[in-house]
Amino acid sequence: AQSVTQPDIHITVSEGASLELRCNYSYGATPYLFWYVQSPGQGLQLLLKYFSGDTLVQGIKGFEAEFKRSQSSFNLRKPSVHWSDAAEYFCAVRGAAGNKLTFGGGTRVLVKP
Amino acid sequence: NAGVTQTPKFQVLKTGQSMTLQCAQDMNHEYMSWYRQDPGMGLRLIHYSVGAGITDQGEVPNGYNVSRSTTEDFPLRLLSAAPSQTSVYFCATRGGGRTEAFFGQGTRLTVV
Repeated sequence: AQSVTQPDIHITVSEGASLELRCNYSYGATPYLFWYVQSPGQGLQLLLKYFSGDTLVQGIKGFEAEFKRSQSSFNLRKPSVHWSDAAEYFCAVRGAAGNKLTFGGGTRVLVKP
Repeated sequence: NAGVTQTPKFQVLKTGQSMTLQCAQDMNHEYMSWYRQDPGMGLRLIHYSVGAGITDQGEVPNGYNVSRSTTEDFPLRLLSAAPSQTSVYFCATRGGGRTEAFFGQGTRLTVV
């Protein structure tokens, strides 16, 4: 069965500092990988997605993620965090032939001024 | 273009009551899904549909029913609400192939 682990429940980062959110997945075949962001009281917005090809993926709001098949990871990074990046971030996986999108437990990011 | 519309946004139910959460999409997407979001558990799949007339169970289907009579609508029914069903519910849709899921704004349900 497919699964996603986000080891960090909370991360606090200073404004202007770099951010890295970890995501490890378990899936037996070719994974499709996604990062979503959720602001308080809102729905989920797609940050970026990986289907195949270049393992470094660029997304919106200055985010990027790197797919590492050998480590079953898809970590999200941002070089310089803005106060508006405070939100909850979810990593998700589904298979190329699959219909089920499986989410990690989420990482809540707090941004200090 | 409304995308994915969920109604209501908030609901309070008494234990044992029934209700239907509505989800409508105008993107002509084949796939529709219902998730529940609980603190620390991410989003868990309740039921999903790959097209009109076709539904299947997800990870946490007990206590919920769905049907898909049209491409546009995918209602979620709670037959006899329980406090354990207090949660935020999200509907999602996607097209076929290499596409991402689009989410509604959610329904916050409290069962007392």
